[in-house]
This record gives sequence, structure tokens and C-alpha cells, in this order.
Amino acid sequence: DVKVTQSSRYLVKRTGEKVFLECVQDMDHENMFWYRQDPGLGLRLIYFSYDVKMKEKGDIPEGYSVSREKKERFSLILESASTNQTSMYLCASSFGMETNSPLHFGNGTRLTVT
Amino acid sequence: LAKTTQPISMDSYEGQEVNITCSHNNIATNDYITWYQQFPSQGPRFIIQGYKTKVTNEVASLFIPADRKSSTLSLPRVSLSDTAVYYCLVGDKGNTGGFKTIFGAGTRLFVKA
Repeated sequence: DVKVTQSSRYLVKRTGEKVFLECVQDMDHENMFWYRQDPGLGLRLIYFSYDVKMKEKGDIPEGYSVSREKKERFSLILESASTNQTSMYLCASSFGMETNSPLHFGNGTRLTVT
Repeated sequence: LAKTTQPISMDSYEGQEVNITCSHNNIATNDYITWYQQFPSQGPRFIIQGYKTKVTNEVASLFIPADRKSSTLSLPRVSLSDTAVYYCLVGDKGNTGGFKTIFGAGTRLFVKA
């Protein structure tokens, strides 16, 4: 089974802090994704990457950046955390570049910014 | 924006068959239709995927008409543990060649005893 591991289940950070959310997948997948999930809004795509050092903006990239230095690791960075970034963050990976490749999700990181 | 539209919520009783219909009027020729299930405090989990006609696995069936503008997820004989949010989605090409998958708000299914 594909395993997508997010480094923290819960995080509490202060406004203005730089925050790193880490995600690792163990199945040599090309594609990795970061979503955030908020009540009533579903999952919204922040950034995705289809290769090492490649990244593309999703629907809500403002306030975030990403890093993919190795194929198995995809990091989400909040340069200066704000309270409106309090959310559940979900990382996912998929094999190949075709739209029929299912996503495999981690269990999420619940971030609270105070 | 999500390319799919589905009901916000549905209720059912244990043992019934549940059908959740999703519309995707702008589906592209190469797009597959994929359904995910999400329980509270977990990431979504892949259920089933199809391109046309009917697909069946051990969990569900997926019916796709010839025009592919909609699809129906069918859950046979639901149980309380099927209470979850169900997402229908199709793929979308990104600007740099990669693809991205856009989720809508999903359908919240509540199964009652």
C-alpha cells in the first residue's frame, strides 16, 4: 500500500512565524499535492508538483510556497503565518501524469495559528 | 474551480442502496471520473474510477452515460460505517503540463440505523 506521511498531526504556531509542513511518500510517485480543507469549502488545491524542483500554483497559492528537492518529499511553507491560515492541510501523491491516476492522501496536519 | 456539481447532503437507512449523482458538463475527452470517500479527521480515500459505461469493484459501482456529462456512484446496502463525505472529481491539465485534481464540496452521506 502507498503510504503518505505528514510529519505532524497537530501544530500550533504564532502569527508571523515561518511554518514548514512536511510530507513524504514511499511509492516513487511523480506527482505531489498540497490541499487545505475548511468547513463548507471542501478541499482546495494550494500547490502541486509533477517532478523534482517543479511546482505549479493551484487555486489558492497566496501566502504559501513549496519545495520539492527530492522526489519523495514535498514541503509546504508558510513564510509568515496568519490566523486565516488556520486549517487542515492534506498532502497527496499520485503516479504518472495521466488524470486517471488516483490520489493517495496522508491523514492531515491540523494547523492553528494564534 | 471544480468541474463537478453534486448534492450537498443525503440521508439513508442501513441496508438501502444509495446513489449519488454528479454532473460534469465540461468534462474533457481524456478525463476520468474518480470518486473518493472521506471520514472525519482522515484524508480522502479512493473508491472507484471510470471513463465510460459501468465499473464495479468490491465497494461500489460507477455508472457513466454515453455523453459522460454526469456519473452516478452506487453504494449497495449501506451500513452506518458508510457515513462520510463523498467527492466526485475529474482531472484538469495544469499550465506547465502537469495535471491537478480539483475537489468540490462533496456530498455528505448520513446513514441512519
